[in-house]
Amino acid sequence: DVVLTQTPPTLSATIGQSVSISCRSSQSLLDSDGDTYLNWLLQRPGQSPQLLIYSVSNLESGVPNRFSGSGSETDFTLKISGVEAEDLGVYYCMQATHAPYTFGAGTKLELK
Amino acid sequence: QVQLKESGPGLVQPSQTLSLTCTVSGFSLTSYDVHWVRQPPGKGLEWMGGIWGDGSTAYNSALKSRLSISRDTSKSQVFLKMNSLQTEDTAIYFCTPLGFWGPGTMVTVSS
Repeated sequence: DVVLTQTPPTLSATIGQSVSISCRSSQSLLDSDGDTYLNWLLQRPGQSPQLLIYSVSNLESGVPNRFSGSGSETDFTLKISGVEAEDLGVYYCMQATHAPYTFGAGTKLELK
Repeated sequence: QVQLKESGPGLVQPSQTLSLTCTVSGFSLTSYDVHWVRQPPGKGLEWMGGIWGDGSTAYNSALKSRLSISRDTSKSQVFLKMNSLQTEDTAIYFCTPLGFWGPGTMVTVSS
């Protein structure tokens, strides 16, 4: 099974600060169809997860453009350019290239 | 608009079988896959398995021997059945096409 390693596990930020989260995969997530199915989700406290970014860098509808995703093969990054209070919560990367699908352990973003 | 509603027993006794239903609206089960994801209290997300638009299924390696996912497209419902439940199966269970998540349903395994 694919193992996704997220770092850091916890991230402390001030409002307006830019931060990045890394997600490394134990094998390439490039699918035979040419797409790379690496998604990013945010789970705010007490809420269900929501999809932020799909296929590495595509912003889900309604997600602010301060969120961006990049990477390829086995190394991926989520960047938040100017953290806002509503961004606090746990971020998960998830791969949907290889079944069984898998999640990273999560990165908790909190206020400094 | 897409809606998902998970339903289930809430409380299950150890060694018993869990049956959950996911009722969807706003999209067709023959066009989109639906996955089951669970989250134990205070812990991360775990993908359990999914059923694709063509009816094929895939399962988490660790749960495969006791998990079954099926559907009734005429009723827009997806089903999860998992046997031999233990206390570590206590979690919120979500059904999701990944782009949209419902509220989930809490399942507690306890005698």
